[in-house]
Amino acid sequence: DQQVKQNSPSLSVQEGRISILNCDYTNSMFDYFLWYKKYPAEGPTFLISISSIKDKNEDGRFTVFLNKSAKHLSLHIVPSQPGDSAVYFCAASRGNQFYFGTGTSLTVIP
Amino acid sequence: KAGVTQTPRYLIKTRGQQVTLSCSPISGHRSVSWYQQTPGQGLQFLFEYFSETQRNKGNFPGRFSGRQFSNSRSEMNVSTLELGDSALYLCASSPNNRGVFSGANVLTFGAGSRLTVL
Repeated sequence: DQQVKQNSPSLSVQEGRISILNCDYTNSMFDYFLWYKKYPAEGPTFLISISSIKDKNEDGRFTVFLNKSAKHLSLHIVPSQPGDSAVYFCAASRGNQFYFGTGTSLTVIP
Repeated sequence: KAGVTQTPRYLIKTRGQQVTLSCSPISGHRSVSWYQQTPGQGLQFLFEYFSETQRNKGNFPGRFSGRQFSNSRSEMNVSTLELGDSALYLCASSPNNRGVFSGANVLTFGAGSRLTVL
């Protein structure tokens, strides 16, 4: 049972434009949502998180939005840079249990 | 401080063999989790250990097992390897054992062990 879903396997964006990565979840009991970025041959690295009691969290070029009624979150990257090209995983946590999506491969075109 | 260290980074085995992967967490982190990554399947949770006890377990067959030592280092073992076990195995550690009100419990991942089963 996939509790966290990323329905877009890939996304291409021009450098300087906005990248929007989407994620849906099914369990309303999740308390935190996180985004991880993964380069080839490396482990995922933590990018940004949001508590279930918030609807927005911003860190530099990265903003995560949470829509609890729709059970949907999104990651906005503005402006997108070629170095942002990676696989992005959405994750949801409840206590010490984590559920990951299948990832979205972002390509930023120079 | 040093990150999460996984060994070996790459290994090749044949069907029917068994394999042991090792993970050294960040110093002070008591929780260690293991994930399997395969193309199109994302990160599939295997198990989580805390203070030498398996606290959570994913939906994998009994061929997959693990343990944690008193210094928080962890190993996972896969017996009777199958072709479908070829994957990147990721270990992650985290410090937070206090539950939902103490901030996001961020996992820090190692670089992974790439297992190829022939």
